[in-house]
Amino acid sequence: QVQLQESGPGLVKPSETLSLTCTVSGGSISSYYWSWIRQPPGKGLEWIGYGHYSGSTNYNPSLKSRVTLSVDTSKKQFSLKLGSVTAADTAVYYCAMYRNGYYEGWGQGTLVTVSS
Amino acid sequence: DIQMTQSPSTLSASVGDRVTITCRASQSFSNWLAWYQQKPGKAPKLLIYKASSLESGVPSRFSGSGSGTEFTLTISSLQPDDFATYYCQQYNSYPHTFGQGTKLEIK
Repeated sequence: QVQLQESGPGLVKPSETLSLTCTVSGGSISSYYWSWIRQPPGKGLEWIGYGHYSGSTNYNPSLKSRVTLSVDTSKKQFSLKLGSVTAADTAVYYCAMYRNGYYEGWGQGTLVTVSS
Repeated sequence: DIQMTQSPSTLSASVGDRVTITCRASQSFSNWLAWYQQKPGKAPKLLIYKASSLESGVPSRFSGSGSGTEFTLTISSLQPDDFATYYCQQYNSYPHTFGQGTKLEIK
């Protein structure tokens, strides 16, 4: 069974870049599409985008100018970079996997707080 | 973007009740809809995909239906473990979008 584990700083300063990594174990990173989905405290779920081992990506237009997603097959990792962060980017960030559009597996999530 | 609107936002019910949650889409699409259950402090868990297909390991008291712009999640007989927040998600087009959630509370 595929397992996902997010990692990265829990605190980021305003205007800086948020960087997170999702490590994949128990399965092939080339078998799925990999997404980041975030959830502000007490709120709903927002899709950030997807990456694929082929290099293809797709971003939410609301974040597109600030987001970069990448897949490193050698490390079995999927990464998120979100630039110019503000307090509105404070959220639990989940990595998730899919093949047919619905999310079959999720990481446990990591809380990122944007504050000086 | 396809907007997904769930109703109700909060639902109070008792163990053994039959409950239905509705998800309405701003644009019509076939059956590219999933339902998730989320408990506090945990990641969402897939329950239903393709509007009515039950994910492996999910109890049969959960069922989904619908197409077009209206979809429903039904729990036939509530169990204590079912009190959680439920989200619908469309994957007909990008960006994937979620409903705002329905919190199922104990009456």
